[in-house]
Amino acid sequence: EAGVAQSPRYKIIEKRQSVAFWCNPISGHATLYWYQQILGQGPKLLIQFQNNGVVDDSQLPKDRFSAERLKGVDSTLKIQPAKLEDSAVYLCASSLEWGGAESTGELFFGEGSRLTVL
Amino acid sequence: QKEVEQNSGPLSVPEGAIASLNCTYSDRGSQSFFWYRQYSGKSPELIMSIYSNGDKEDGRFTAQLNKASQYVSLLIRDSQPSDSATYLCAVNTSPGGGADGLTFGKGTHLIIQP
Repeated sequence: EAGVAQSPRYKIIEKRQSVAFWCNPISGHATLYWYQQILGQGPKLLIQFQNNGVVDDSQLPKDRFSAERLKGVDSTLKIQPAKLEDSAVYLCASSLEWGGAESTGELFFGEGSRLTVL
Repeated sequence: QKEVEQNSGPLSVPEGAIASLNCTYSDRGSQSFFWYRQYSGKSPELIMSIYSNGDKEDGRFTAQLNKASQYVSLLIRDSQPSDSATYLCAVNTSPGGGADGLTFGKGTHLIIQP
């Protein structure tokens, strides 16, 4: 079974530039998450999708971050304009349907996209 | 605001000994508890989940949960150098163990000394 795919793996940009990250979840996983992990910290949830609807985006800095999950499969996370403090690894994760009978709560993570803002 | 607290370490344990990792959480409504292992430069991977009070064992790993004390721990027996990693505690409040977006602690950096 293929895992969660993310791209690009690494991105270096200057502040005020824009960047986009892409995620393809595990087939059949209805729930998709974007987490931000700053060096030395645990992952912080940015946004959670159930199919193509947003479940939770309370910690997403909406003035500069946006995310979409068209057709309930792939997702894109965009940052525009980037700030120095956005330097982090952006982790995409997926899981079986939130609250569904078969859901165990386990999240499956992709390898992450490492962003450096200069 | 849900909070999950862990000692960041590093926690240094001799090879073959028991490593004990601890975690406390603030939300009494938390239903499901997870331990993820993260090697440097890699993504987190699930090693244990626990949903009810008591102990849960899986090989060399034992998770312990005390909801009254809002405390969850992970024991690693017969520690191996390959266990050296950061261990992330994560909780959620979704009923039935579903994943409503886990809240993670900062992680404990564990070092197993050969």
